[in-house]
Amino acid sequence: QIQLQQSGPGLVKPSQTLSLTCTISGDSVSSNTATWNWIRQSPSRGLEWLGRTYYRSKWYTNYAVSVRSRITVNPDTSKNQFSLHLNSVTPEDTAVYYCARDPPQVHSVFDIWGQGTVVTVSS
Amino acid sequence: EIALTQSPGTLSLSPGERATLSCRASQTINNNYLAWYQQKPGQAPRLLIYGPSTRAIGVPDRFSGSGSGTDFTLTISRLEPEDFAVYYCQDHGDVLFTFGPGTKVEIK
Repeated sequence: QIQLQQSGPGLVKPSQTLSLTCTISGDSVSSNTATWNWIRQSPSRGLEWLGRTYYRSKWYTNYAVSVRSRITVNPDTSKNQFSLHLNSVTPEDTAVYYCARDPPQVHSVFDIWGQGTVVTVSS
Repeated sequence: EIALTQSPGTLSLSPGERATLSCRASQTINNNYLAWYQQKPGQAPRLLIYGPSTRAIGVPDRFSGSGSGTDFTLTISRLEPEDFAVYYCQDHGDVLFTFGPGTKVEIK
């Protein structure tokens, strides 16, 4: 059974960096067919895809235009994890953050999700 | 960038009734790659339908998806108590991964 377990702080100060980790069980971050994604949800912005990492003989990342200058998504093969780092946060980055898998065989959907992390940006 | 609109915003129905949810795209969706998710309070979204009519693993057959081009529909043939939730559509025809704003299906 494939599961994603999220970890990281729920409170971040403005201008600092939001950092979350997603630990994969039952699959591999180095999979040649899946991709590993971060998505957030807020009342004002709805569900918003942020970025992804994936391995196809080498590592790739893609990011949403809205956060491209502030975001990094990294794999950690030794721990079978991937992480989100979003710098220079503002209160507008307050949201529930999810990690999610885009599975093999199906194009660009999200079939396995983490439990979600409520992140509040406040001093 | 494709924009998705969903209607109605809220659907008030009784258990056993049929639910019809609409998702409209501002441009044609590539390969009709439109997905539907269900979200209950405090939970992550759950993939129901993709492509636009293939049910995900474990999804009951009372859920069905249809449509093409810019107009898509999620139908729940007979609402069960556990189906009252928010439903989102998502364009999975490109790498922008756009979601719709959602339709809430509530108990009448």
